[in-house]
Amino acid sequence: DAKTTQPNSMESNEEEPVHLPCNHSTISGTDYIHWYRQLPSQGPEYVIHGLTSNVNNRMASLAIAEDRKSSTLILHRATLRDAAVYYCILRGLGEQLIWGAGTKLIIKP
Amino acid sequence: DAGITQSPRHKVTETGTPVTLRCHQTENHRYMYWYRQDPGHGLRLIHYSYGVKDTDKGEVSDGYSVSRSKTEDFLLTLESATSSQTSVYFCAISSPPPNTEAFFGQGTRLTVV
Repeated sequence: DAKTTQPNSMESNEEEPVHLPCNHSTISGTDYIHWYRQLPSQGPEYVIHGLTSNVNNRMASLAIAEDRKSSTLILHRATLRDAAVYYCILRGLGEQLIWGAGTKLIIKP
Repeated sequence: DAGITQSPRHKVTETGTPVTLRCHQTENHRYMYWYRQDPGHGLRLIHYSYGVKDTDKGEVSDGYSVSRSKTEDFLLTLESATSSQTSVYFCAISSPPPNTEAFFGQGTRLTVV
């Protein structure tokens, strides 16, 4: 079973920041927090991952709580192309990606 | 884009027939995965490989077998297709987990009639 909890869906306005939450209260010390997204009719796409510190890349930022029991994916300026299902996944040593249902992000023009 | 190709992209087959899906990579990644995705759901792991001839089962392996005779190819076989195996199948590649990203193919839509 997936070890994360995400809202089923979220809405945001175009060109505004989006904060996608993820709870993972049973996270272990060696679990990395991964985020992927899946656009309609496409394969999943890697977004970002981190262990303890906040991470930034060209697509997004990942804010990890100090106790690591939750994290937030931040899209700084959402566009219509960011409409997708976003998955938060924990991945430990030797473990494979176990997917939950994710959050469907709807971007309103 | 990562060099990962799935074939065929679409297939319709009859119940009871064997079906083989192919995943080909040009990235020399050690790990390869087969997932299935059903409407409204996340991906479920069928089988994965951590090296040539090294494979292991995932969450939903019943009715499926895999083979990896060389680094670049990972084959998924439905030994006797059933309607419950109608799904979209995704292949993925990665370096050893957990601190690595996975790259996914575009998927194969399989319909068993």
